[in-house]
Amino acid sequence: KQEVTQIPAALSVPEGENLVLNCSFTDSAIYNLQWFRQDPGKGLTSLLLIQSSQREQTSGRLNASLDKSSGRSTLYIAASQPGDSATYLCAVNSGGGADGLTFGKGTHLIIQP
Amino acid sequence: EAGVAQSPRYKIIEKRQSVAFWCNPISGHATLYWYQQILGQGPKLLIQFQNNGVVDDSQLPKDRFSAERLKGVDSTLKIQPAKLEDSAVYLCASSYISGQGPSSYNEQFFGPGTRLTVL
Repeated sequence: KQEVTQIPAALSVPEGENLVLNCSFTDSAIYNLQWFRQDPGKGLTSLLLIQSSQREQTSGRLNASLDKSSGRSTLYIAASQPGDSATYLCAVNSGGGADGLTFGKGTHLIIQP
Repeated sequence: EAGVAQSPRYKIIEKRQSVAFWCNPISGHATLYWYQQILGQGPKLLIQFQNNGVVDDSQLPKDRFSAERLKGVDSTLKIQPAKLEDSAVYLCASSYISGQGPSSYNEQFFGPGTRLTVL
């Protein structure tokens, strides 16, 4: 059974810092991995998707990496801004195709102005 | 392109009452998912549909939860009777598979969710 762990559970940093959020998963046979952002009282917004054959994906100030063999992914946020404050969730598709996602509990991020 | 729509956004009920949630996926997405997110946790898959057929309902508490996707588009999730522990956000997502072979992937898109409080 796939399990996803996110570290740290919470993080508070001053504006402008670069930061790294970590995600680990127990079964390395994944189809793809998604990083989501969740604002309070809102649904999930997809940030980045990494296919199993890829090593990283970039979107603006966000960069996500994937190391399948070690069961790890990281989300790198450059030059953080107060608007980046949210909960970040990592999720893996283990079954392949259109299977459901297994989520971590998320990292609650606060960027101090 | 319109996103995943859900209603209602909020619902408060007494325990043992019934409640239903509605979801309209992104047009053309064959796969639809219902997730349950308890406060402080990541979402957990309840049921997955491919067109109007159930693919996976292994984590759906079938004694009280039911779901259907008539005509392969909209879906409803029902709880009857509700328990206190059903208080959660219910998220609907849809997806389609892009690419082919090793380059294929399945990106899921989520609706705003329905926040259920059971008193």
